[in-house]
Amino acid sequence: EVQLVESGGDLVQPGGSLRLSCVASGFTFSDHYMDWVRQAPGKGLEWVGRIRNKANSYTTEYAASVKGRFTISRDDSKNSLYLQMNSLKTEDTALYYCVRVHRYDSGHYVLDIWGQGTMLTVSS
Amino acid sequence: DIQMTQSPSSLSASVGDRVTITCRASQGISNYLGWFQQKPGEAPKSLIYGASTLQSGVPSRFSGSGSGTDFTLTISSLQPEDSATYYCRQHSTYPITFGQGTRLEI
Repeated sequence: EVQLVESGGDLVQPGGSLRLSCVASGFTFSDHYMDWVRQAPGKGLEWVGRIRNKANSYTTEYAASVKGRFTISRDDSKNSLYLQMNSLKTEDTALYYCVRVHRYDSGHYVLDIWGQGTMLTVSS
Repeated sequence: DIQMTQSPSSLSASVGDRVTITCRASQGISNYLGWFQQKPGEAPKSLIYGASTLQSGVPSRFSGSGSGTDFTLTISSLQPEDSATYYCRQHSTYPITFGQGTRLEI
């Protein structure tokens, strides 16, 4: 079964740090780009960032709201994706989803497999 | 950043109705647009990519159209299980951006 399982969500004080993890199973993790998408309570979806695969040098992209504070990394040997979050703000409070990116030959990138999310709360 | 604006923000319809949700991009994105469905307490699910290509397993009552800046998601005959929030997403340019969502009540 294709699956993504996130972990690491917690209650953190403003200015603090936290690392989220996502473990993939049921597919060749190393082949795929991976995204993080978040959803604040009762709000819409916000793309956080992307990490490409080894063939594309593990390069990353970030939303402006997190650039310089968040870092996405991966360990293909462990089928794992990470999101290191520093200088956390109250507005970072959200459910964080780990998402597989599927690239079609047409050049379209589809967010086709989603985890169930892990909750980060930033509050004093 | 490319802004994605959906309309309406919410709507109520009946079983069997045909409904259309619109998504407008602040600049041209060709057909680099997808639609997602999210039910309460669940992760989003991809419905359509490339503006009009149905994801495998998605019922044929869902369809998408558009190119450039204006896009639509149409549900031809509403079913009770279609009650959800629908999001559009562009991936023409980084940062990737989502619409604010359209809540559909059956």
